[in-house]
Amino acid sequence: GAVVSQHPSWVICKSGTSVKIECRSLDFQATTMFWYRQFPKQSLMLMATSNEGSKATYEQGVEKDKFLINHASLTLSTLTVTSAHPEDSSFYICSAPSGTGGYGYTFGSGTRLTVV
Amino acid sequence: QKEVEQDPGPLSVPEGAIVSLNCTYSNSAFQYFMWYRQYSRKGPELLMYTYSSGNKEDGRFTAQVDKSSKYISLFIRDSQPSDSATYLCAPPGYNKLIFGAGTRLAVHP
Repeated sequence: GAVVSQHPSWVICKSGTSVKIECRSLDFQATTMFWYRQFPKQSLMLMATSNEGSKATYEQGVEKDKFLINHASLTLSTLTVTSAHPEDSSFYICSAPSGTGGYGYTFGSGTRLTVV
Repeated sequence: QKEVEQDPGPLSVPEGAIVSLNCTYSNSAFQYFMWYRQYSRKGPELLMYTYSSGNKEDGRFTAQVDKSSKYISLFIRDSQPSDSATYLCAPPGYNKLIFGAGTRLAVHP
């Protein structure tokens, strides 16, 4: 089945530094990638949608200059958290439409970011 | 009004119980519905999807959709401790998934 490989699975960084999270579609082409953030015991909140070869679309309230998204190829999308602060500590998950059953979205395994 | 409403729980049941998880939605344009299961600190995985009103069964899981009342349910029969997870309903809307809050389920031996 379709697989989205997300790395790293966890990262700890110092406040003020930047962190890059990668999501790769392994056996299918992902023209679109969705990026979600999930705080403890809360649901997934869509942050932005990246499209290969064009600018990402950000949800209302998400700072585009802080969360830089690049979708340079049909198999790779990256999210960079710039100048990270402790309040950015969260679980970040990517997802791509994979056509599973005609309606499926395949999720990465998530990245737990802790900013200290 | 949120597009998808789901009781966050937590829901705690004994092993072997029948579990009922429910969602309501507001947008009548939603055509199909998916249930995802998310284990702690993992990405969600597709459990079931259903297009039409009525029931769809897959092993111990049954998804039910009532479009007239905008109500969707997931039933788990003979629940197992391995079913302990968060269950998210997600009707796709405008090329993106819209998640409910998720219901945390704990099945204890």
